[in-house]
Amino acid sequence: KQEVTQIPAALSVPEGENLVLNCSFTDSAIYNLQWFRQDPGKGLTSLLLIQSSQREQTSGRLNASLDKSSGRSTLYIAASQPGDSATYLCAGCPAGTYKYIFGTGTRLKVLA
Amino acid sequence: SAVISQKPSRDICQRGTSLTIQCQVDSQVTMMFWYRQQPGQSLTLIATANQGSEATYESGFVIDKFPISRPNLTFSTLTVSNMSPEDSSIYLCSVGLSVHEQFFGPGTRLTVL
Repeated sequence: KQEVTQIPAALSVPEGENLVLNCSFTDSAIYNLQWFRQDPGKGLTSLLLIQSSQREQTSGRLNASLDKSSGRSTLYIAASQPGDSATYLCAGCPAGTYKYIFGTGTRLKVLA
Repeated sequence: SAVISQKPSRDICQRGTSLTIQCQVDSQVTMMFWYRQQPGQSLTLIATANQGSEATYESGFVIDKFPISRPNLTFSTLTVSNMSPEDSSIYLCSVGLSVHEQFFGPGTRLTVL
């Protein structure tokens, strides 16, 4: 059974720092991977999608990469801002399915 | 992308009652999903809502407890039946677009007393 772990579970950093969030899958056979942001009590906002033929994606200050051989993904946030404070979730779609399995999340707090 | 709305946004219900949550998408989509997010937890897939046929439920979820309708390609409902406090969660619908990218609705926050 595929399980997804995110490290760290929580993170508090001063504004301006660059940071890395980690996501790992017990089964490395991941077809697509998405990173989401969730604000308290809200739905999920899609940040980045790494498709099966890709290894990384960038959007603004965000960069996500996927190493399929190891089943690991990282989300890099450059020059963090207080507005980045949220929970970040990674989700993988195993090969042969269309269903995403979600990680445990990283709660990020960026201090002004 | 897709714009997804859910109704209600939140509700407080008495145990033993049922609540129907609506999900509306601004375009026709093949794949719609319902998730549950229990307090402090990540998302768990309840079922895939299939247009014109019964929903496909994940292990641990049954139709009697979570009946789902999908009358067309833009709309679905999830009913939480015979509720107990353990059903207090955020319920989210999502849609899968081409290349299987998923987009989520704003969620329905349910509290059962």
